[in-house]
Amino acid sequence: AQKITQTQPGMFVQEKEAVTLDCTYDTSDPSYGLFWYKQPSSGEMIFLIYQGSYDQQNATEGRYSLNFQKARKSANLVISASQLGDSAMYFCAMREGPNFGNEKLTFGTGTRLTIIP
Amino acid sequence: KAGVTQTPRYLIKTRGQQVTLSCSPISGHRSVSWYQQTPGQGLQFLFEYFSETQRNKGNFPGRFSGRQFSNSRSEMNVSTLELGDSALYLCASRGQETQYFGPGTRLLVL
Repeated sequence: AQKITQTQPGMFVQEKEAVTLDCTYDTSDPSYGLFWYKQPSSGEMIFLIYQGSYDQQNATEGRYSLNFQKARKSANLVISASQLGDSAMYFCAMREGPNFGNEKLTFGTGTRLTIIP
Repeated sequence: KAGVTQTPRYLIKTRGQQVTLSCSPISGHRSVSWYQQTPGQGLQFLFEYFSETQRNKGNFPGRFSGRQFSNSRSEMNVSTLELGDSALYLCASRGQETQYFGPGTRLLVL
């Protein structure tokens, strides 16, 4: 079974609109971390936001927020007021186990986001 | 703080050759992980080093190896290159909660 599922291969969004990128995950480990990364065409993976499985509040970082629904195993990324520079591939990833000791990230297949002027 | 650096950025090799890629983590970070990214397989974990010891390993053949030095810099080596090894190789160093990636090395095997 896929551990990380991103069902939207591509999305087109008008500039200044909000956008939600979907991510569902599968794990039996009670301790895990969820991440979102942005990858522009240059190839570098840029960290956006992190959510720990025991965090009570949804994570926020500037225009990025993570809609964490633990019971549904869902960790959607919300970008408010999209900008042209947000056009990129977006990856959801998970680390299973305690915060330290297992650094393996499992990635989804990504969503290509295109912002239209 | 300077970010994760990887050298070289681009590399062209022929089948059968070997290659060594280098990664310098963010200052103070002791854990370095390597990932391979291809259009067909996506992002896959290769291995992780912490304090000069390999702590985790992905599902790759023995042709893929790595090491870490006392200053936390890491190298990965691929021997007997195959066409399928053409990929973007990403290195990441571990911060408080997350991994920060370098710009990657694009390897083309002809």
